Amino acid sequence: SQQGEEDPQALSIQEGENATMNCSYKTSINNLQWYRQNSGRGLVHLILIRSNEREKHSGRLRVTLDTSKKSSSLLITASRAADTASYFCATGTYSSASKIIFGSGTRLSIRP
Amino acid sequence: SAVISQKPSRDICQRGTSLTIQCQVDSQVTMMFWYRQQPGQSLTLIATANQGSEATYESGFVIDKFPISRPNLTFSTLTVSNMSPEDSSIYLCSVLPGQSLYQETQYFGPGTRLLVL
Repeated sequence: SQQGEEDPQALSIQEGENATMNCSYKTSINNLQWYRQNSGRGLVHLILIRSNEREKHSGRLRVTLDTSKKSSSLLITASRAADTASYFCATGTYSSASKIIFGSGTRLSIRP
Repeated sequence: SAVISQKPSRDICQRGTSLTIQCQVDSQVTMMFWYRQQPGQSLTLIATANQGSEATYESGFVIDKFPISRPNLTFSTLTVSNMSPEDSSIYLCSVLPGQSLYQETQYFGPGTRLLVL
């Protein structure tokens, strides 16, 4: 079963604009990770944020975590064509820390 | 981090046959996992590959259909048995490279794209 639901399911923006994707989950978590997948290939790890953290940055990526609302967001600033991909959140729980459960994903398209 | 390779990268198979997918990691890792991603869907965990013992399967997945081996800390195989078109998916291997089971990043292989006719 899937822990997380992501919205939007699909997002199309102009190159240079910012893209925001949201992830909501159901149970208490230990950490939350964001991954990128290009066209049915393997997953690339983007950021891991722990339950005691509220925000993390990596280059053009900004991730927030609100455990009270059981939600996270991924912001990509100044989008590029190469950012076109599917983005997934995945949560790790205290009860089963080694397993992560994936959200449904957001398909991001960057228009040139 | 860990560098993970999978073989084959893709295959087209006839129904009723079996395919074994290999996952090789460039370093010893604590945990290895196998996921399935059906077309247009998210990833679903099939099982945890345990070194030296039987794999731990998630609900809806059974050993007879998806036998898994893990002979050492760097290698695992997943077999998709008696395939049907519904098994057409991307199969991904992932690893937890560290010794701690908590707050660790999972890394994924490039995936094996399987089409069953």
